[in-house]
Amino acid sequence: DAKTTQPPSMDCAEGRAANLPCNHSTISGNEYVYWYRQIHSQGPQYIIHGLKNNETNEMASLIITEDRKSSTLILPHATLRDTAVYYCIVRVDNQGGKLIFGQGTELSVKP
Amino acid sequence: KAGVTQTPRYLIKTRGQQVTLSCSPISGHRSVSWYQQTPGQGLQFLFEYFSETQRNKGNFPGRFSGRQFSNSRSEMNVSTLELGDSALYLCASSLLITDFDGYTFGSGTRLTVV
Repeated sequence: DAKTTQPPSMDCAEGRAANLPCNHSTISGNEYVYWYRQIHSQGPQYIIHGLKNNETNEMASLIITEDRKSSTLILPHATLRDTAVYYCIVRVDNQGGKLIFGQGTELSVKP
Repeated sequence: KAGVTQTPRYLIKTRGQQVTLSCSPISGHRSVSWYQQTPGQGLQFLFEYFSETQRNKGNFPGRFSGRQFSNSRSEMNVSTLELGDSALYLCASSLLITDFDGYTFGSGTRLTVV
């Protein structure tokens, strides 16, 4: 079962930062937080992951709270192409190809 | 480099028939996993193969099966199709040298059972 809770939908103005929250209050010490997104009719796409430190890559930033019970994915300058369903997943490293997807957050970026 | 290729993209089958879907992973990737996506249940894990062996299995009936060949290409088979099997079937591949390699998904096969 999914171990994360996300709002079902969010809106964001184009060019502004999109901040997508995720609650994972039962996360274990050896579980990572992963973010994927799925643009309509495509397969999910890996965005970023982290254990306890904040992470940044060319797509997004991941902020994990000190107690690791929640995190926020930040898209710094959202574009219309960022409209998608965003999934937050927690899992142990080297667990094999088993991703447990929740319902995700449907992000709509509006002009 | 080429991504994960799934064939066919679309498929229509009749209830009671069986179907085989194919997935060609990224060159060098040895792990292939399969997912079913429906509007009601979302994305659900079916099974994972690594070096021709099934390593993980989700909670699906035995009508759903798969295999992986020596070149890492994978197939999944659904026998005695039911209307509820209509879904987008996705496969994902990974190097799995470390978990940080991430999973690359294909665009899926849209199966409609009538």
